[in-house]
Amino acid sequence: EAGVTQFPSHSVIEKGQTVTLRCDPISGHDNLYWYRRVMGKEIKFLLHFVKESKQDESGMPNNRFLAERTGGTYSTLKVQPAELEDSGVYFCASSPGAVFEYGYTFGSGTRLTVV
Amino acid sequence: AQSVTQLDSQVPVFEEAPVELRCNYSSSVSVYLFWYVQYPNQGLQLLLKYLSGSTLVESINGFEAEFNKSQTSFHLRKPSVHISDTAEYFCAVSLMDSSYKLIFGSGTRLLVRP
Repeated sequence: EAGVTQFPSHSVIEKGQTVTLRCDPISGHDNLYWYRRVMGKEIKFLLHFVKESKQDESGMPNNRFLAERTGGTYSTLKVQPAELEDSGVYFCASSPGAVFEYGYTFGSGTRLTVV
Repeated sequence: AQSVTQLDSQVPVFEEAPVELRCNYSSSVSVYLFWYVQYPNQGLQLLLKYLSGSTLVESINGFEAEFNKSQTSFHLRKPSVHISDTAEYFCAVSLMDSSYKLIFGSGTRLLVRP
C-alpha cells in the first residue's frame, strides 16, 4: 500500500509569492488532515477534510491559506501571498476513521521557507 | 483549552542506557494519549497509544508509556536504547468528544551516542 505522498519536499519562495503544496492520501482514506510545525514548536492542526468537504478548518491561520480537495482524492494547500511567518514544515495525514481507532498515516512533510 | 507539554527539547543519552521522555497534558475533558516518532526524512509514525484499561502500554520496539491520571502525565520510557532510536518523539492527545484531531507537544529530540 502506498503511503501519504507530499510534494514538493522543500520549497523556498520570496515573501509575497504564491506556493501550492500537494498531498496524495492513501487510497480509500476519506479523512485528510493538514498540520504545520513552525520553528521547532508544536505541530498544530490546520484543517480536516472528510472526502471533499471541510469538516473543521479552525486551525487555518488567516485567509491567505486556501485548502481544497476536489473529488475527495488529493488535496492542495495554497499560501497567497506568503509571509515570513509562514515558514515551517507542513504535514499531511490521512485516516479511514477516528484517530483513536485507526491512527493517522503521515506524509514526510513539505519544508517551506519564505525569504 | 487543551495543551501538551514536553519539557525536554533534547535528550542526549549513551547507547544501552535507560531513557525517559516526559509528557504532561492539560484538558478539562477525557483524552486519548499517543506517542509518535519521526525518524530523519520520514513522516511521523505511531509508536503507542493509551485508550483505556491498563495504564501501562508497550510498543513492539521496547518502548513503554504509563498513563498517570492524577499527574496528567504520559511519560515514555525505554530501559536500554539503541543508536537506531535516535529520532524526534512527539506526545499527543485526542479529545474523546473530538476524536479526529490531535493536539501535539513540541517534541523531544532523542540523541543516542555510542
